[in-house]
Amino acid sequence: DIQMTQSPSSLSASVGDRVTITCQASQDISNYLNWYQQKPGKAPKLLIYDASNLETGVPSRFSGSGSGTDFTFTISSLQPEDIATYYCQQYDNLRRTFGQGTKLEIK
Amino acid sequence: EVQLVESGGGLVKPGGSLRLSCAASGFTFSSYSMNWVRQAPGKGLEWVSSISSSSSYIYYADSVKGRFTISRDNAKNSLYLQMNSLRAEDTAVYYCARKSHFDPWGQGTLVTVSS
Repeated sequence: DIQMTQSPSSLSASVGDRVTITCQASQDISNYLNWYQQKPGKAPKLLIYDASNLETGVPSRFSGSGSGTDFTFTISSLQPEDIATYYCQQYDNLRRTFGQGTKLEIK
Repeated sequence: EVQLVESGGGLVKPGGSLRLSCAASGFTFSSYSMNWVRQAPGKGLEWVSSISSSSSYIYYADSVKGRFTISRDNAKNSLYLQMNSLRAEDTAVYYCARKSHFDPWGQGTLVTVSS
C-alpha cells in the first residue's frame, strides 16, 4: 500500500497567519491527491482535489500544490473558522490511504 | 441536493455481525463509485472499501478483508457494508462517500463492538 506521511501532526497559529501542511507519498502518485477538512463531530469535507484544484464553494485562502511524492496544503490567512483537522488522501492506488491528520489550533 | 445517509450502526458483541446501509439521493447513483471510510474514537480516517459504479471492481483494506463485504443496489440507490466477525478494533464511526474524490460524505453511523 502507498503510505502517506503528513506533517506536522498538530499546529498552533494565530489569526491571519499563513499555515502550511505537507504530505509525502511513499511512491509517485502523480497529482492523485485530495485534501479534506474535518471539524469536531462532523464528517470530513473535500477542500482540494487533484492536488491543486479548489472545490466549488471553498474559500480561496485554501490552496494546494505538488505532484509526484511531495504535496503542500496552505491557508494563506488563518481564520477562526478554520480550526479543524486536515487530512491528505491518495487515490492513485485503488486501495486509498489517508495521511495521519494535522490538528490545527488557534494560538 | 446531493445527500448520503448512513444507517445500521449500533452495539454488537465481538464475533457478531452488522449490516450498514448508505442511502443516496440528489445524483445519479449508478454513475459513481462509492466508498466506506471509518474513524475510530479520537483517531484519524481509515479507508475501508471501495466499489465501482457497476460493482465490477471491489477493493478492501487488509484490516477488513475476508470479514467485510461491500455491495450496492443501483435500483435502490443504496450502498451496503456487511460486517462479520467483528472485533473491538472495528469500533468506529463509519462513513460512506461518493467517488474517488470522496465527496460528499454522509453524517456517519457509530459501530461499537463490545461485550
